[in-house]
Amino acid sequence: AIRMTQSPSSLSASTGDRVTITCRASQDIATYLVWYQQKPGKAPKVLIYAASTLQSGVPSRFTGGGSGTDFTLTISFLQSEDFATYYCQQYYSNPYTFGQGTKLEIK
Amino acid sequence: QVQLVQSGPEVKKPGASVKVSCKASGYSFTSNDINWVRQAPGQGLEWMGWLNPLSGNTAYSQSFQGRVTMTRDTPKMTAYMELNSLRSEDTAVYFCARAVRFHSSKEFYYYMDVWGEGTTVTVSS
Repeated sequence: AIRMTQSPSSLSASTGDRVTITCRASQDIATYLVWYQQKPGKAPKVLIYAASTLQSGVPSRFTGGGSGTDFTLTISFLQSEDFATYYCQQYYSNPYTFGQGTKLEIK
Repeated sequence: QVQLVQSGPEVKKPGASVKVSCKASGYSFTSNDINWVRQAPGQGLEWMGWLNPLSGNTAYSQSFQGRVTMTRDTPKMTAYMELNSLRSEDTAVYFCARAVRFHSSKEFYYYMDVWGEGTTVTVSS
Protein backbone atom coordinates (compact mmCIF):
# COMPACT_ATOMS: atom_id res chain seq x y z
CA ALA A 1 0.00 0.00 0.00
CA ILE A 2 1.11 3.55 -0.69
CA ARG A 3 1.89 5.41 2.50
CA MET A 4 0.91 9.08 2.73
CA THR A 5 2.77 11.18 5.29
CA GLN A 6 1.62 14.66 6.19
CA SER A 7 3.62 17.32 7.96
CA PRO A 8 3.24 18.89 10.31
CA SER A 9 0.74 16.84 12.32
CA SER A 10 -0.46 20.03 13.96
CA LEU A 11 -0.01 23.68 13.30
CA SER A 12 -0.89 26.87 15.17
CA ALA A 13 -1.58 30.01 13.20
CA SER A 14 -3.48 33.27 13.36
CA THR A 15 -6.18 34.64 11.12
CA GLY A 16 -4.61 36.39 8.20
CA ASP A 17 -1.58 34.08 8.15
CA ARG A 18 -0.45 31.96 5.24
CA VAL A 19 0.19 28.29 6.00
CA THR A 20 1.45 25.34 4.01
CA ILE A 21 0.80 21.67 4.70
CA THR A 22 2.94 19.02 3.04
CA CYS A 23 1.96 15.52 1.95
CA ARG A 24 4.53 12.98 0.82
CA ALA A 25 3.72 9.71 -0.94
CA SER A 26 5.85 6.60 -0.52
CA GLN A 27 5.93 6.19 -4.31
CA ASP A 28 5.19 8.23 -7.42
CA ILE A 29 1.46 8.96 -7.65
CA ALA A 30 1.63 11.51 -10.50
CA THR A 31 -1.07 14.07 -9.62
CA TYR A 32 -3.57 11.55 -8.25
CA LEU A 33 -4.09 13.42 -5.00
CA VAL A 34 -7.05 14.98 -3.20
CA TRP A 35 -7.18 17.35 -0.22
CA TYR A 36 -10.07 17.28 2.26
CA GLN A 37 -11.02 19.51 5.16
CA GLN A 38 -12.80 18.09 8.18
CA LYS A 39 -14.35 19.92 11.10
CA PRO A 40 -15.20 18.20 14.40
CA GLY A 41 -18.26 16.01 14.20
CA LYS A 42 -18.67 16.60 10.47
CA ALA A 43 -17.97 14.69 7.29
CA PRO A 44 -14.93 15.68 5.25
CA LYS A 45 -15.26 18.24 2.48
CA VAL A 46 -13.27 18.13 -0.74
CA LEU A 47 -11.08 21.15 -1.38
CA ILE A 48 -8.72 20.19 -4.21
CA TYR A 49 -8.49 17.23 -6.56
CA ALA A 50 -5.93 16.14 -9.14
CA ALA A 51 -3.37 17.81 -6.86
CA SER A 52 -4.14 21.35 -7.93
CA THR A 53 -7.72 21.70 -9.20
CA LEU A 54 -9.94 23.72 -6.90
CA GLN A 55 -13.33 22.16 -6.24
CA SER A 56 -16.26 24.34 -7.23
CA GLY A 57 -17.32 26.64 -4.42
CA VAL A 58 -14.03 26.43 -2.51
CA PRO A 59 -12.41 29.81 -1.86
CA SER A 60 -9.41 30.70 -3.99
CA ARG A 61 -7.22 31.17 -0.90
CA PHE A 62 -6.78 27.38 -1.01
CA THR A 63 -4.05 26.28 -3.42
CA GLY A 64 -2.71 22.83 -4.14
CA GLY A 65 0.50 21.89 -5.86
CA GLY A 66 3.01 19.16 -6.51
CA SER A 67 3.35 15.94 -8.44
CA GLY A 68 5.14 12.66 -8.09
CA THR A 69 5.74 12.19 -4.38
CA ASP A 70 5.60 15.70 -2.90
CA PHE A 71 2.49 17.82 -2.58
CA THR A 72 1.42 20.96 -0.79
CA LEU A 73 -1.76 22.61 0.36
CA THR A 74 -1.41 26.33 0.97
CA ILE A 75 -4.02 28.49 2.63
CA SER A 76 -3.38 32.16 2.20
CA PHE A 77 -4.94 34.74 4.48
CA LEU A 78 -6.43 32.30 7.01
CA GLN A 79 -10.03 32.84 7.99
CA SER A 80 -11.66 31.68 11.23
CA GLU A 81 -13.59 29.00 9.36
CA ASP A 82 -10.34 27.42 8.08
CA PHE A 83 -9.35 26.05 11.48
CA ALA A 84 -9.94 22.35 10.97
CA THR A 85 -8.11 19.12 10.18
CA TYR A 86 -6.79 18.57 6.67
CA TYR A 87 -6.18 15.23 4.97
CA CYS A 88 -4.54 14.26 1.74
CA GLN A 89 -5.59 11.10 -0.10
CA GLN A 90 -4.06 9.30 -3.04
CA TYR A 91 -6.14 7.53 -5.66
CA TYR A 92 -3.25 6.09 -7.67
CA SER A 93 -3.78 2.58 -6.40
CA ASN A 94 -5.94 0.51 -4.09
CA PRO A 95 -6.12 1.13 -1.17
CA TYR A 96 -6.80 4.82 -1.63
CA THR A 97 -4.89 5.79 1.46
CA PHE A 98 -5.19 8.98 3.47
CA GLY A 99 -2.49 10.90 5.24
CA GLN A 100 -2.73 10.96 9.03
CA GLY A 101 -4.11 14.48 9.03
CA THR A 102 -2.90 17.96 9.96
CA LYS A 103 -4.79 19.81 12.65
CA LEU A 104 -4.77 23.55 12.11
CA GLU A 105 -5.41 25.42 15.34
CA ILE A 106 -5.81 29.03 16.30
CA LYS A 107 -2.73 30.54 17.92
CA GLN B 1 -30.41 18.63 -3.54
CA VAL B 2 -27.85 15.88 -3.74
CA GLN B 3 -27.57 14.03 -0.48
CA LEU B 4 -26.67 10.76 1.13
CA VAL B 5 -28.59 9.73 4.24
CA GLN B 6 -27.17 6.97 6.39
CA SER B 7 -28.78 4.60 8.84
CA GLY B 8 -28.69 5.15 12.57
CA PRO B 9 -26.15 4.20 15.22
CA GLU B 10 -25.42 0.59 15.97
CA VAL B 11 -24.12 -1.22 19.01
CA LYS B 12 -22.76 -4.71 18.40
CA LYS B 13 -20.98 -7.41 20.33
CA PRO B 14 -17.60 -8.73 19.24
CA GLY B 15 -17.96 -11.35 16.54
CA ALA B 16 -21.24 -9.94 15.26
CA SER B 17 -21.94 -8.25 11.92
CA VAL B 18 -23.22 -4.79 11.09
CA LYS B 19 -24.89 -3.51 7.93
CA VAL B 20 -24.95 0.22 7.32
CA SER B 21 -27.15 1.76 4.65
CA CYS B 22 -26.65 4.89 2.57
CA LYS B 23 -29.64 6.26 0.68
CA ALA B 24 -28.96 8.58 -2.23
CA SER B 25 -31.22 11.31 -3.54
CA GLY B 26 -31.04 14.22 -5.94
CA TYR B 27 -28.90 12.55 -8.61
CA SER B 28 -28.73 9.44 -10.77
CA PHE B 29 -27.65 6.77 -8.30
CA THR B 30 -25.97 4.59 -10.92
CA SER B 31 -23.77 7.39 -12.27
CA ASN B 32 -21.28 7.55 -9.42
CA ASP B 33 -19.34 5.12 -7.27
CA ILE B 34 -20.10 4.99 -3.58
CA ASN B 35 -17.05 4.85 -1.32
CA TRP B 36 -16.93 3.89 2.33
CA VAL B 37 -14.54 5.56 4.76
CA ARG B 38 -14.32 5.08 8.49
CA GLN B 39 -12.91 7.10 11.36
CA ALA B 40 -12.12 5.63 14.76
CA PRO B 41 -12.57 7.95 17.76
CA GLY B 42 -9.95 10.70 17.69
CA GLN B 43 -8.23 9.13 14.69
CA GLY B 44 -7.81 9.83 11.01
CA LEU B 45 -9.72 8.67 7.96
CA GLU B 46 -9.44 5.11 6.66
CA TRP B 47 -10.62 4.19 3.17
CA MET B 48 -12.50 0.88 3.02
CA GLY B 49 -13.49 0.47 -0.61
CA TRP B 50 -15.84 1.45 -3.38
CA LEU B 51 -18.95 0.12 -5.05
CA ASN B 52 -20.09 0.85 -8.59
CA PRO B 53 -23.89 0.95 -8.31
CA LEU B 54 -24.38 0.38 -12.04
CA SER B 55 -22.38 -2.82 -12.38
CA GLY B 56 -22.22 -3.91 -8.75
CA ASN B 57 -18.45 -4.12 -9.06
CA THR B 58 -16.46 -3.51 -5.92
CA ALA B 59 -12.90 -2.87 -4.79
CA TYR B 60 -11.95 -3.35 -1.18
CA SER B 61 -8.95 -2.34 0.85
CA GLN B 62 -6.84 -5.36 1.73
CA SER B 63 -7.27 -4.33 5.37
CA PHE B 64 -10.91 -5.39 5.16
CA GLN B 65 -10.74 -8.11 2.53
CA GLY B 66 -12.82 -11.08 3.58
CA ARG B 67 -14.75 -9.13 6.21
CA VAL B 68 -16.48 -6.41 4.21
CA THR B 69 -19.19 -6.62 1.58
CA MET B 70 -20.56 -3.64 -0.33
CA THR B 71 -23.85 -4.04 -2.16
CA ARG B 72 -26.65 -1.93 -3.54
CA ASP B 73 -30.37 -1.94 -4.16
CA THR B 74 -30.72 0.17 -7.28
CA PRO B 75 -34.52 0.73 -7.20
CA LYS B 76 -34.15 1.95 -3.62
CA MET B 77 -31.10 4.05 -4.53
CA THR B 78 -29.39 2.64 -1.51
CA ALA B 79 -25.89 1.31 -0.94
CA TYR B 80 -24.94 -1.00 1.89
CA MET B 81 -21.74 -1.83 3.71
CA GLU B 82 -21.64 -4.98 5.81
CA LEU B 83 -18.71 -5.69 8.10
CA ASN B 84 -18.38 -9.10 9.72
CA SER B 85 -16.47 -10.56 12.66
CA LEU B 86 -16.53 -7.26 14.46
CA ARG B 87 -13.89 -6.45 17.05
CA SER B 88 -13.45 -3.52 19.37
CA GLU B 89 -11.07 -1.86 16.90
CA ASP B 90 -13.99 -1.55 14.45
CA THR B 91 -15.62 1.01 16.72
CA ALA B 92 -15.79 4.05 14.46
CA VAL B 93 -17.92 6.42 12.48
CA TYR B 94 -18.59 4.97 9.04
CA PHE B 95 -19.14 7.40 6.16
CA CYS B 96 -20.45 6.75 2.69
CA ALA B 97 -19.44 9.20 -0.02
CA ARG B 98 -20.25 9.73 -3.67
CA ALA B 99 -17.24 9.72 -5.96
CA VAL B 100 -16.66 11.78 -9.06
CA ARG B 101 -14.62 9.88 -11.64
CA PHE B 102 -13.18 11.32 -14.83
CA HIS B 103 -10.69 9.66 -17.13
CA SER B 104 -9.24 10.96 -20.38
CA SER B 105 -5.99 10.44 -22.24
CA LYS B 106 -4.59 13.45 -20.40
CA GLU B 107 -5.95 13.23 -16.92
CA PHE B 108 -7.67 11.09 -14.37
CA TYR B 109 -9.38 12.27 -11.27
CA TYR B 110 -11.40 10.57 -8.59
CA TYR B 111 -12.65 12.33 -5.49
CA MET B 112 -15.51 12.20 -3.00
CA ASP B 113 -17.75 15.22 -3.36
CA VAL B 114 -20.88 14.37 -1.35
CA TRP B 115 -20.74 12.59 1.99
CA GLY B 116 -23.27 11.04 4.30
CA GLU B 117 -23.52 12.27 7.87
CA GLY B 118 -21.81 9.19 9.25
CA THR B 119 -23.03 6.18 11.21
CA THR B 120 -21.53 5.40 14.60
CA VAL B 121 -20.82 1.73 15.13
CA THR B 122 -19.82 0.70 18.62
CA VAL B 123 -18.42 -2.76 19.25
CA SER B 124 -18.49 -3.70 22.89
CA SER B 125 -19.15 -6.74 25.00
